[in-house]
Amino acid sequence: AQSVTQLDSQVPVFEEAPVELRCNYSSSVSVYLFWYVQYPNQGLQLLLKYLSGSTLVKGINGFEAEFNKSQTSFHLRKPSVHISDTAEYFCAVSRMNSGYSTLTFGKGTMLLVSP
Amino acid sequence: DTAVSQTPKYLVTQMGNDKSIKCEQNLGHDTMYWYKQDSKKFLKIMFSYNNKELIINETVPNRFSPKSPDKAHLNLHINSLELGDSAVYFCASSQEGAGGLDTQYFGPGTRLTVL
Repeated sequence: AQSVTQLDSQVPVFEEAPVELRCNYSSSVSVYLFWYVQYPNQGLQLLLKYLSGSTLVKGINGFEAEFNKSQTSFHLRKPSVHISDTAEYFCAVSRMNSGYSTLTFGKGTMLLVSP
Repeated sequence: DTAVSQTPKYLVTQMGNDKSIKCEQNLGHDTMYWYKQDSKKFLKIMFSYNNKELIINETVPNRFSPKSPDKAHLNLHINSLELGDSAVYFCASSQEGAGGLDTQYFGPGTRLTVL
């Protein structure tokens, strides 16, 4: 079975500081990983995804994530955050179900950026 | 032009009632989903449809019945509503059948409150 663990439920950070949101996965087969962002009162939006190739994945809004197979991690990073990055961030892994792949989400990490 | 739209945005109802939530996507996607997000922000897939056919049903109670009249629409009907059904329901869509690998586009959500 594939699952995702987001180690921090909440990460407070000051504006312009760097941030890392942690995600670990468990999977016995090929893994495909995603980060989605949910701004207040909105639906989810894809930030980035890792399917294959380079382990460093760049996404929208200056975010990037690194796939680390040995540590089974896919941590999300941004070198300098803005107030507008305040949102809930979800890590997800794709798993097979009845011949189709679906997303299994972690419990989310709330990023709180203050001035 | 909203890519994935849901109606209504808010739904407040009494226990035991029957209600429906509608979803439409104008992206030309083949696959649509329903997710439930509980009060702790945990997001779980409920159903997935590909070209109007049900492909995934994640052990959801029979009181929940999705219907896809065409590829662009996926509605969710809930019978005999219970307190535990209170949540935010998200509709999503993706391009191909292997939806777990394709970017999923989410609607804004429907906040259901059962009193």
